[in-house]
Amino acid sequence: DAGVTQSPTHLIKTRGQQVTLRCSPISGHKSVSWYQQVLGQGPQFIFQYYEKEERGRGNFPDRFSARQFPNYSSELNVNALLLGDSALYLCASSVTRVAGYTFGSGTRLTVV
Amino acid sequence: TQLLEQSPQFLSIQEGENLTVYCNSSSVFSSLQWYRQEPGEGPVFLVTVVTGGEVKKLKRLTFQFGDARKDSSLHITAAQPGDTGLYLCAGKRQGSSNTGKLIFGQGTTLQVKP
Repeated sequence: DAGVTQSPTHLIKTRGQQVTLRCSPISGHKSVSWYQQVLGQGPQFIFQYYEKEERGRGNFPDRFSARQFPNYSSELNVNALLLGDSALYLCASSVTRVAGYTFGSGTRLTVV
Repeated sequence: TQLLEQSPQFLSIQEGENLTVYCNSSSVFSSLQWYRQEPGEGPVFLVTVVTGGEVKKLKRLTFQFGDARKDSSLHITAAQPGDTGLYLCAGKRQGSSNTGKLIFGQGTTLQVKP
Protein backbone atom coordinates (compact mmCIF):
# COMPACT_ATOMS: atom_id res chain seq x y z
CA ASP A 1 0.00 0.00 0.00
CA ALA A 2 1.20 3.51 -0.76
CA GLY A 3 2.17 5.61 2.24
CA VAL A 4 1.50 9.29 2.68
CA THR A 5 2.59 11.07 -0.49
CA GLN A 6 3.53 14.72 -0.69
CA SER A 7 4.29 16.95 -3.63
CA PRO A 8 6.43 18.61 -4.63
CA THR A 9 9.47 17.25 -2.78
CA HIS A 10 11.44 20.48 -3.12
CA LEU A 11 10.41 24.03 -3.89
CA ILE A 12 12.20 27.38 -4.13
CA LYS A 13 10.10 30.52 -3.90
CA THR A 14 10.77 34.25 -3.65
CA ARG A 15 9.65 36.40 -0.71
CA GLY A 16 6.09 37.61 -1.19
CA GLN A 17 5.05 34.73 -3.41
CA GLN A 18 2.37 32.16 -2.65
CA VAL A 19 2.83 28.39 -2.47
CA THR A 20 0.54 25.34 -2.46
CA LEU A 21 1.68 22.02 -1.04
CA ARG A 22 -0.23 18.79 -1.60
CA CYS A 23 -0.75 15.63 0.41
CA SER A 24 -2.46 12.30 -0.20
CA PRO A 25 -3.11 10.26 2.95
CA ILE A 26 -2.98 6.50 3.28
CA SER A 27 -6.08 4.90 1.80
CA GLY A 28 -8.75 4.72 4.48
CA HIS A 29 -7.23 7.48 6.62
CA LYS A 30 -9.66 10.36 6.97
CA SER A 31 -7.48 12.59 9.15
CA VAL A 32 -4.70 14.74 7.71
CA SER A 33 -2.40 16.99 9.74
CA TRP A 34 0.21 19.49 8.62
CA TYR A 35 3.44 20.26 10.47
CA GLN A 36 6.32 22.66 9.90
CA GLN A 37 9.82 21.51 10.83
CA VAL A 38 12.58 24.08 10.92
CA LEU A 39 16.12 22.73 10.78
CA GLY A 40 17.27 21.51 14.18
CA GLN A 41 13.83 21.54 15.76
CA GLY A 42 10.89 19.21 16.21
CA PRO A 43 7.81 19.57 14.00
CA GLN A 44 5.30 22.30 14.88
CA PHE A 45 1.57 21.68 14.40
CA ILE A 46 -0.15 23.81 11.78
CA PHE A 47 -3.56 22.24 11.01
CA GLN A 48 -5.60 19.09 11.33
CA TYR A 49 -8.49 18.18 9.05
CA TYR A 50 -10.94 15.32 9.51
CA GLU A 51 -13.82 14.54 7.21
CA LYS A 52 -13.11 17.78 5.32
CA GLU A 53 -13.50 19.95 8.42
CA GLU A 54 -10.78 21.81 10.32
CA ARG A 55 -10.38 20.11 13.70
CA GLY A 56 -7.32 21.91 15.01
CA ARG A 57 -5.13 24.92 14.32
CA GLY A 58 -1.68 25.77 15.64
CA ASN A 59 -0.11 29.17 16.33
CA PHE A 60 0.50 30.19 12.76
CA PRO A 61 -0.54 33.46 11.07
CA ASP A 62 -3.53 33.74 8.75
CA ARG A 63 -1.15 33.55 5.80
CA PHE A 64 -1.36 29.80 6.34
CA SER A 65 -4.53 28.05 5.21
CA ALA A 66 -5.51 24.52 4.27
CA ARG A 67 -8.36 22.44 3.02
CA GLN A 68 -9.31 18.79 2.63
CA PHE A 69 -11.04 17.36 -0.40
CA PRO A 70 -13.75 14.66 -0.65
CA ASN A 71 -11.08 12.05 -1.40
CA TYR A 72 -9.33 13.11 1.88
CA SER A 73 -6.31 14.59 0.13
CA SER A 74 -5.27 17.99 1.39
CA GLU A 75 -3.57 21.21 0.35
CA LEU A 76 -1.62 23.66 2.47
CA ASN A 77 -1.41 27.22 1.17
CA VAL A 78 0.99 29.86 2.36
CA ASN A 79 0.63 33.45 1.13
CA ALA A 80 3.09 36.35 1.22
CA LEU A 81 6.07 34.08 1.89
CA LEU A 82 8.73 35.21 4.35
CA LEU A 83 12.30 33.97 4.66
CA GLY A 84 11.29 32.40 7.97
CA ASP A 85 8.81 30.14 6.21
CA SER A 86 11.73 28.12 4.87
CA ALA A 87 11.28 24.67 6.38
CA LEU A 88 10.31 21.06 5.82
CA TYR A 89 6.51 20.82 5.62
CA LEU A 90 5.22 17.45 6.74
CA CYS A 91 1.84 15.89 6.20
CA ALA A 92 0.62 13.07 8.43
CA SER A 93 -2.41 10.82 8.35
CA SER A 94 -3.88 8.68 11.10
CA VAL A 95 -6.76 6.39 11.90
CA THR A 96 -7.06 6.44 15.66
CA ARG A 97 -5.65 8.30 18.66
CA VAL A 98 -3.27 5.51 19.69
CA ALA A 99 -2.26 4.24 16.27
CA GLY A 100 0.26 6.98 15.73
CA TYR A 101 0.71 9.15 12.72
CA THR A 102 2.19 8.14 9.39
CA PHE A 103 4.21 10.99 7.96
CA GLY A 104 5.09 11.70 4.39
CA SER A 105 8.66 12.54 3.39
CA GLY A 106 7.78 16.21 3.35
CA THR A 107 8.17 19.17 1.05
CA ARG A 108 11.38 21.17 1.50
CA LEU A 109 10.43 24.82 0.96
CA THR A 110 13.18 27.39 0.53
CA VAL A 111 12.24 31.07 0.43
CA VAL A 112 14.88 33.38 -1.03
CA THR B 1 10.11 27.69 26.00
CA GLN B 2 9.76 24.11 24.83
CA LEU B 3 6.74 22.32 26.33
CA LEU B 4 8.47 18.97 25.90
CA GLU B 5 12.17 19.04 26.73
CA GLN B 6 14.34 16.24 25.41
CA SER B 7 17.76 15.37 26.76
CA PRO B 8 20.40 14.95 25.73
CA GLN B 9 20.16 16.91 22.49
CA PHE B 10 23.09 15.04 20.96
CA LEU B 11 24.51 11.63 21.73
CA SER B 12 27.43 9.89 20.05
CA ILE B 13 28.20 6.36 21.22
CA GLN B 14 29.96 3.19 20.12
CA GLU B 15 28.11 0.17 18.79
CA GLY B 16 27.05 -2.11 21.62
CA GLU B 17 26.59 0.59 24.25
CA ASN B 18 23.32 1.30 26.04
CA LEU B 19 21.65 4.70 26.16
CA THR B 20 18.61 6.50 27.53
CA VAL B 21 16.81 9.50 26.07
CA TYR B 22 14.53 11.58 28.27
CA CYS B 23 11.42 13.58 27.44
CA ASN B 24 10.20 15.86 30.24
CA SER B 25 7.40 18.35 30.78
CA SER B 26 5.60 20.19 33.56
CA SER B 27 2.30 19.44 31.81
CA VAL B 28 0.21 16.27 31.85
CA PHE B 29 -0.24 14.43 28.58
CA SER B 30 -3.03 12.02 27.68
CA SER B 31 -0.53 10.06 25.60
CA LEU B 32 3.04 10.26 24.40
CA GLN B 33 4.44 8.95 21.15
CA TRP B 34 7.99 8.33 19.98
CA TYR B 35 9.25 8.73 16.44
CA ARG B 36 12.56 8.26 14.65
CA GLN B 37 13.51 10.52 11.79
CA GLU B 38 16.32 10.18 9.26
CA PRO B 39 17.69 13.09 7.21
CA GLY B 40 15.39 14.08 4.34
CA GLU B 41 12.55 11.87 5.57
CA GLY B 42 9.47 12.28 7.71
CA PRO B 43 9.31 10.90 11.26
CA VAL B 44 8.52 7.20 11.55
CA PHE B 45 6.15 6.13 14.33
CA LEU B 46 7.64 3.81 16.97
CA VAL B 47 5.21 3.55 19.87
CA THR B 48 2.43 5.20 21.88
CA VAL B 49 2.26 5.08 25.68
CA VAL B 50 -1.05 5.97 27.27
CA THR B 51 -1.18 4.79 30.88
CA GLY B 52 0.96 6.25 33.67
CA GLY B 53 3.80 3.84 34.45
CA GLU B 54 3.31 1.95 31.21
CA VAL B 55 6.34 0.17 29.74
CA LYS B 56 6.50 -0.99 26.13
CA LYS B 57 9.25 -2.89 24.38
CA LEU B 58 10.09 -2.88 20.71
CA LYS B 59 13.01 -5.29 20.19
CA ARG B 60 16.00 -3.50 21.80
CA LEU B 61 13.99 -0.35 22.53
CA THR B 62 12.16 0.12 25.84
CA PHE B 63 9.72 3.00 26.31
CA GLN B 64 8.32 4.15 29.63
CA PHE B 65 5.62 6.67 30.52
CA GLY B 66 6.01 8.43 33.86
CA ASP B 67 3.51 7.69 36.62
CA ALA B 68 2.22 11.27 36.47
CA ARG B 69 2.13 11.23 32.65
CA LYS B 70 4.46 14.23 32.46
CA ASP B 71 7.57 12.46 31.20
CA SER B 72 8.79 9.53 29.18
CA SER B 73 12.04 7.74 28.45
CA LEU B 74 13.47 5.67 25.64
CA HIS B 75 16.18 3.13 26.46
CA ILE B 76 18.15 1.39 23.73
CA THR B 77 20.12 -1.73 24.60
CA ALA B 78 23.23 -2.68 22.62
CA ALA B 79 22.88 0.16 20.12
CA GLN B 80 23.65 -0.54 16.47
CA PRO B 81 24.63 1.84 13.63
CA GLY B 82 21.14 1.35 12.18
CA ASP B 83 19.72 3.09 15.29
CA THR B 84 21.32 6.34 14.17
CA GLY B 85 18.78 9.12 13.70
CA LEU B 86 16.75 11.87 15.31
CA TYR B 87 14.48 10.60 18.08
CA LEU B 88 11.40 12.69 18.76
CA CYS B 89 8.88 12.47 21.55
CA ALA B 90 5.43 13.93 20.91
CA GLY B 91 2.40 14.24 23.12
CA LYS B 92 -1.24 15.21 23.23
CA ARG B 93 -2.07 17.60 26.07
CA GLN B 94 -4.50 16.38 28.70
CA GLY B 95 -7.77 18.24 28.37
CA SER B 96 -6.80 20.09 25.22
CA SER B 97 -9.64 21.01 22.89
CA ASN B 98 -7.15 20.89 20.04
CA THR B 99 -7.40 17.13 19.92
CA GLY B 100 -5.45 16.75 16.70
CA LYS B 101 -2.40 18.61 17.91
CA LEU B 102 0.80 16.68 18.60
CA ILE B 103 3.39 18.66 20.57
CA PHE B 104 6.91 17.59 19.67
CA GLY B 105 10.11 17.85 21.63
CA GLN B 106 13.15 19.33 19.90
CA GLY B 107 14.61 15.89 19.33
CA THR B 108 17.68 13.89 20.33
CA THR B 109 20.24 13.24 17.61
CA LEU B 110 21.80 9.81 18.10
CA GLN B 111 24.93 8.69 16.30
CA VAL B 112 26.06 5.10 16.76
CA LYS B 113 29.58 4.48 15.50
CA PRO B 114 30.66 1.01 14.30
